[in-house]
Amino acid sequence: DIQMTQSPSSLSASVGDTVTITCRASQFISIYLNWYQQKPGRAPRLLIYAASKLEGGVPSRFSGSGSGTDFGLTISGLQPEDFATYYCQQAYTIQSFGGGTKVETK
Amino acid sequence: QVQLQESGPGLVQPSETLSLTCSVSGDSINRGGFYWSWFRQPPGQGLEWIGYFYDSADTKYNLSFNNRVTILVDTSRSRFSLKLTSVTAADTAVYYCARGVGTVTMPYNYGVGVWGQGTTVTVSS
Repeated sequence: DIQMTQSPSSLSASVGDTVTITCRASQFISIYLNWYQQKPGRAPRLLIYAASKLEGGVPSRFSGSGSGTDFGLTISGLQPEDFATYYCQQAYTIQSFGGGTKVETK
Repeated sequence: QVQLQESGPGLVQPSETLSLTCSVSGDSINRGGFYWSWFRQPPGQGLEWIGYFYDSADTKYNLSFNNRVTILVDTSRSRFSLKLTSVTAADTAVYYCARGVGTVTMPYNYGVGVWGQGTTVTVSS
């Protein structure tokens, strides 16, 4: 099974900050990496698929990068509604999720 | 616009079978390229994939469930169901049905873009 490791597990930031979350796969997954945002009591929301492709309706301040085993999700200019938990998901072999990164207000 | 809605008991006795239904509106569950899936999230924890069906017949399950999972499809009613047998407290979670998009070899390579709101299931006597 492919293990996905996210870091950090949590971070504190302020509105307007640029934050980057990283996700590392235990083996090669090409570009098959998705990112989700989840708010308390809500279902996950797909932000990015195939490492860098923005899902329809997602603000352009979200961007994804990487290939192979190392990936990143960047939020440029954090907005109040962006405080949430973010998950990566590899889609190369069925799927598996990272453990999540909670973005909290500083 | 496609919408998914989970339904089922919120409380299940230990050792019994958890049964949930996902009703699909705004799309046909017969359409190819879609992976109609179940995920779950234990309290305070991350997301876990349970399984999916594809093309109204093919199914695939997470092996970590030790053959306790069955996903059934009712195309006439546009819904699919999850059955999880021999439940324990560890199966307490929010259960989500969802629609993934992908290919036979990579069923989620375009991500899981549609989710139900989730339903909380507690396993307790």
